[in-house]
Amino acid sequence: NAGVTQTPKFRILKIGQSMTLQCTQDMNHNYMYWYRQDPGMGLKLIYYSVGAGITDKGEVPNGYNVSRSTTEDFPLRLELAAPSQTSVYFCASRGPGLAGGFEQFFGPGTRLTVL
Amino acid sequence: KQEVTQIPAALSVPEGENLVLNCSFTDSAIYNLQWFRQDPGKGLTSLLLIQSSQREQTSGRLNASLDKSSGRSTLYIAASQPGDSATYLCAVKRNTGNQFYFGTGTSLTVIP
Repeated sequence: NAGVTQTPKFRILKIGQSMTLQCTQDMNHNYMYWYRQDPGMGLKLIYYSVGAGITDKGEVPNGYNVSRSTTEDFPLRLELAAPSQTSVYFCASRGPGLAGGFEQFFGPGTRLTVL
Repeated sequence: KQEVTQIPAALSVPEGENLVLNCSFTDSAIYNLQWFRQDPGKGLTSLLLIQSSQREQTSGRLNASLDKSSGRSTLYIAASQPGDSATYLCAVKRNTGNQFYFGTGTSLTVIP
């Protein structure tokens, strides 16, 4: 069981470039999340999805976009990268409710540097 | 808005000691609270999940308690080992909405 997988593991972008962070889960979870983790700041929610075709903004959505065309995949798009987007990005998923217990499962993260 | 605080930010203990990590939250209308472990450069690993109706959960040497009325949770680690060295984070889900709120973590070092 792979759980939650993320690619790439590391990436360096130049200011103004764009990229897509990939996230896939094989647990048939409805809920998926994108977080960013900055040193000493905890995890901040960027976007989340409650199922295929449904997404919503979290605390810090500016500069990012998401889509959810399948249950398994939840890519995060960065347009016009800025140094403020240098961070570690985590994707997470959780089950549908009582059966899933609301336990979150995390991917290994993508470390992004914007220069 | 839910604020989650973890104090201390860092903790260093000798091997074999029992220890307690703290997590405080401002809004007691929570659905559940989850404790995670994060090793350097890695993702978060779930340790324990406590539903709002529960007072505690146990897994091996770990015991997590929840006191909603006072807005507090503790993670008790018995007989600490060097392999327990990591950052421990707590996250709270409110009764409404789908968002989880994370603390900034406690960095634990267990000295052999």
